[in-house]
Amino acid sequence: NAGVTQTPKFQVLKTGQSMTLQCAQDMNHNSMYWYRQDPGMGLRLIYYSASEGTTDKGEVPNGYNVSRLNKREFSLRLESAAPSQTSVYFCASRDGTGLRSPLHFGNGTRLTVT
Amino acid sequence: GNSVTQMEGPVTLSEEAFLTINCTYTATGYPSLFWYVQYPGEGLQLLLKATKADDKGSNKGFEATYRKETTSFHLEKGSVQVSDSAVYFCALSEGNNDMRFGAGTRLTVKP
Repeated sequence: NAGVTQTPKFQVLKTGQSMTLQCAQDMNHNSMYWYRQDPGMGLRLIYYSASEGTTDKGEVPNGYNVSRLNKREFSLRLESAAPSQTSVYFCASRDGTGLRSPLHFGNGTRLTVT
Repeated sequence: GNSVTQMEGPVTLSEEAFLTINCTYTATGYPSLFWYVQYPGEGLQLLLKATKADDKGSNKGFEATYRKETTSFHLEKGSVQVSDSAVYFCALSEGNNDMRFGAGTRLTVKP
């Protein structure tokens, strides 16, 4: 089972460059999420999509945009990368049945902005 | 708002030692509580969960009990192994769009 697949695994950008992080899940989940992980801060929610066709801001949305392309895919775009966006990015999905459902995570994208 | 506080690490134990990682939470309603584990280079994996007060979640020898009176969900294991070395995250959920995580506790188990 593939679960949640993220690409790329690693990326180095220069300040001001743009890129899109890709995420796809094969579990037929309704909800998808983007988190960033920084040392000592746990995971912080960037954006989420409760269902196909909807997206909403999380705790730290500034500097990011998202697209829920279809039920399987949820991409995260950095339009003009900044060093503060150096982080590990995780995509996750959930079956959308409410608060009892756990998140299923991809293996992450490690992004460095110089 | 909702929040999770877990004990700071790192925690270093010898194999077969007893493990406790403390987790307390703040929530407005009746959240579900989770422990996730992250191995190097991987995403988080669900370790166990509890969805109501006094529930005990358990998996792979790990246990945690949902204590509403103390707003706690401490993770315990009676005898840790080297393979348990990882980062552990406590989390709570009060809805479809809100999974809040603690800062994580790094556990190292030495043979």
